[in-house]
Amino acid sequence: DIQMTQSPSTLSASVGDRVTITCRASQSIGNWLAWYQQKPGKAPKLLIYKASTLESGVPSRFSGSGSGTEFTLTINSLQPDDFATYYCQQYNSYSETFGQGTKVEIK
Amino acid sequence: QVQLVQSGAEVKKPGSSVKVSCKASGDTFNYYPISWVRQAPGQGLERMGRIIPIFDMPNYAQKFQGRVTIIADKSTSTAYMEVSSLRSEDTAIYYCARGRDICYTGNCAAAFDIWGQGTMVTVSS
Repeated sequence: DIQMTQSPSTLSASVGDRVTITCRASQSIGNWLAWYQQKPGKAPKLLIYKASTLESGVPSRFSGSGSGTEFTLTINSLQPDDFATYYCQQYNSYSETFGQGTKVEIK
Repeated sequence: QVQLVQSGAEVKKPGSSVKVSCKASGDTFNYYPISWVRQAPGQGLERMGRIIPIFDMPNYAQKFQGRVTIIADKSTSTAYMEVSSLRSEDTAIYYCARGRDICYTGNCAAAFDIWGQGTMVTVSS
């Protein structure tokens, strides 16, 4: 299986900050990468697919970039609603795999 | 708007089985992958397997081969996931999730755009 490694595991930030989360794949996955946001007690929510395409209804302060093995999720001007855990997921292979998650906490 | 509605929480004994259902609203059930993802308490997301109902060919993560069965009932737009030989480590929230794009082959990996509300399965003696 393709391994996905996110960094950092935890990130402390303030409202208004620009935040970047990195996801690395153990082998090239093209642009077959998605990002999710999960809040406590809720199902994950799709934010970005195909590495950089914003899902309908997702605020434009979220953006994704990268291809091959290295990807980033950027949140411009962090809002109170953005404090959550974020996961990357590859879907290049028949067996999708997730990163271990990045928790964005209030500084 | 398509929704996935899962069955309720379960408490099971070690060694028993559990079957979780996931009912889809709308008329596009047959052509989209339905995957199952679990999340142990305080842990990350773990993909278990998927099925594309029109092809009726499940695909399982290697870790769950032989212990998990995924089926789809096209007549009721419902997918099911059964885990056998339960152990305490299977205590988790189990989610069904729909692949974002229609699948034209028998096996499509996908980003998941619609998720069920989750089903808590507790395994305890």
